[in-house]
Amino acid sequence: DIQMTQSPSSLSASIGDRVTIPCRASQSISNYLNWYQQRPGKAPKLLIYAASSLQSGVPSRFSGSGSGTDFTLTISSLQPEDFATYYCQQSYSTVLTFGGGTKVELK
Amino acid sequence: QLRLQESGPGLVKTSETLSLTCTVSGGSISSSTYFWGWIRQPPGKGLEWIGNIYSSGSTYYSPSLKSRVTMSVDTSKNRFFLRLNSVTAADTAVYYCARRTLTLGGSDPFDSWGQGTLVTVSS
Repeated sequence: DIQMTQSPSSLSASIGDRVTIPCRASQSISNYLNWYQQRPGKAPKLLIYAASSLQSGVPSRFSGSGSGTDFTLTISSLQPEDFATYYCQQSYSTVLTFGGGTKVELK
Repeated sequence: QLRLQESGPGLVKTSETLSLTCTVSGGSISSSTYFWGWIRQPPGKGLEWIGNIYSSGSTYYSPSLKSRVTMSVDTSKNRFFLRLNSVTAADTAVYYCARRTLTLGGSDPFDSWGQGTLVTVSS
C-alpha cells in the first residue's frame, strides 16, 4: 500500500496567517492527490482534487500544489472557520489511503 | 442537492456482523460517473478507507479488511450496503458513506459524504 504521511500532526496559527500543510507519499503518485477538511463532529469536506484543482464552492484562499511524492495545502489567510483537521488522500492505487491528518489550532 | 444517509444499528456485539445501509437521494446511484464508498473513523483517530462499489456491483476492498467485508448495491432503491463480519472492539468507529466522482484529472475524489453513523462494538 502507498503510505501517506502528514507531519506535523498539529500546528498553531493565528487569524490571518498563511498556513502550509505538507503531505508526503511513500512513492510517486503523480497528481492523484485530494485534500479534505474535517471540522469536529462533522463529515470530511473535499477542498482540493488532482493536487491543485479547487472544488466548486471552496474559498479561493485554499490552494494545493505538488506532484510526485510531495504535496502542500496552503491557506493564504486563515479564517476562524478554518480551524479544523486536514487530510490528504491518494487515488493513484486502487487501494486508497489517507494521511493521518494535520490539526490546525488557534495560537 | 445530493444527500447520502447512513443507517443501521449503533451497537453490535463482538464476533457478530455489522450491517449498514447508505441511502442516496437527489441523484442516481446508477450513473456511470460515480463510485460509492465506505470510510470509517475510530474515535479520535484518522480516516480509513473500507472499500468502493460501482453500480454494476464491481467492488474494491481495503486489503486489511477484505476477508471480512462485503459491499452490495440496490439500484432500484438507490442505496448501497456494507457488511463487516466477525467484529471486535477495534471496529468501533464512525462509518461514513460517500460518493466518489470519476474525474478527467483521475484523482476521483470523495466529493459528497453522509453525516456518518457511530457503531460501537461491545460484548
